[in-house]
Order: sequence, then structure tokens, then C-alpha cells
Amino acid sequence: DVKVTQSSRYLVKRTGEKVFLECVQDMDHENMFWYRQDPGLGLRLIYFSYDVKMKEKGDIPEGYSVSREKKERFSLILESASTNQTSMYLCASSSRVSEQYFGPGTRLTVT
Amino acid sequence: AQKITQTQPGMFVQEKEAVTLDCTYDTSDQSYGLFWYKQPSSGEMIFLIYQGSYDEQNATEGRYSLNFQKARKSANLVISASQLGDSAMYFCAMRVNFGNEKLTFGTGTRLTIIP
Repeated sequence: DVKVTQSSRYLVKRTGEKVFLECVQDMDHENMFWYRQDPGLGLRLIYFSYDVKMKEKGDIPEGYSVSREKKERFSLILESASTNQTSMYLCASSSRVSEQYFGPGTRLTVT
Repeated sequence: AQKITQTQPGMFVQEKEAVTLDCTYDTSDQSYGLFWYKQPSSGEMIFLIYQGSYDEQNATEGRYSLNFQKARKSANLVISASQLGDSAMYFCAMRVNFGNEKLTFGTGTRLTIIP
């Protein structure tokens, strides 16, 4: 079974802190994605990566950066967390021909 | 740009009845794929079914089927004989095949199955 894991299910951070969200997949997938999910807005793509050290902006990249140093790991970084970044963050991975497989999500609260 | 529209924020359905979740899409691309995902209260997204734009037959996976009407740009999910475990959020999504693997999601429908 494909497995996508995220470092935390719940996270509480203070405004201005640097936040790292980690995602690991075990299926040798080329593509990895970070989404945020907010009620009434569905899932919105923040960044994605189609290869190691490669990244592309999604629809809402402002305030976020990413890192992919190894194929199996994709990190989302909030350089200076703000309250409007309180959300559910979902990581996903896929091969070039498969559907996307999602992790369990990280519910981040910024106070 | 691609767009997915799900017009039903919430639905209540009696157990054992069939349910149709609506999804319309907008794209100028000829080659694309349509997906449905289920999100239970636990939060994980579970892939349900896929339909390619050139597939002539509607996709089916067990109790799930996708009613694909290309001319109307609709891709409704049909769940037959609903069960209590079907209560969840359901998301329709689209991928444009020529380009990259990005998915565009709709806003979702919360389905509640009543015993």
C-alpha cells in the first residue's frame, strides 16, 4: 500500500514563528504536492514538486516556501507564521500516471 | 484555467438509497481526467474513482459510478445503496493531462447518511 505520512496531526504555533511541515512518501513517486484546506474553499494548491530540487508555485504560494532534497521527502515552510495561515495542510504524492495519494493532514493553529 | 463547481454544500440521504453528487467542470483542454475523493471525519483523502475525457464508458468501482456527460461538462458521482459509512465530505477534482499533474478541486459536498 502507498503510504504518505506527515510529521504532525496537530500543531500549535505562535505568530512570527518559523514552521516546518514534513511529508514523506514510500512509493518512489516523482510528484509531491502541498495543499491547504479551508471550509467552503476546498483544497488549494500551495506548491508542488515533480523532481528532487524542483518546485513550482501553485495557486496560493504567498507566505510559504518548500524544500525537496530527497525524492521521498517534501517540506513546507512557513517563514513567519501568521494567523491567516491557520488551516488544514494536506500533502500528496503521485507517479506520472497515478491518482494522488494523500497523507492524514496536519491541522495547524497559529495564535 | 480550470474550474470545478460543486453546487451542493450538504446533502442528507436515507440509508440504502442511491445518491448523486453533482460536479461540473470548465476547461478548454480536450484531454483531461476527472477524480472523486472521499474525506471522512478523520481527515484523510481517499481516492474513489477516475474518468478520462476520452473514455467512452462511464467509470465504475463497486458501489461508485461516475455519470460522465462530456457535452454538458458534468461528472456526477453516483453511490448506490448508501451506507452509514458513506457519511463524509466528497470532492470532485480535475487534472489536465497535457502539462503537469496538478489537480483542481471543487469546494466539496458534505454527505450525511440517515439511519
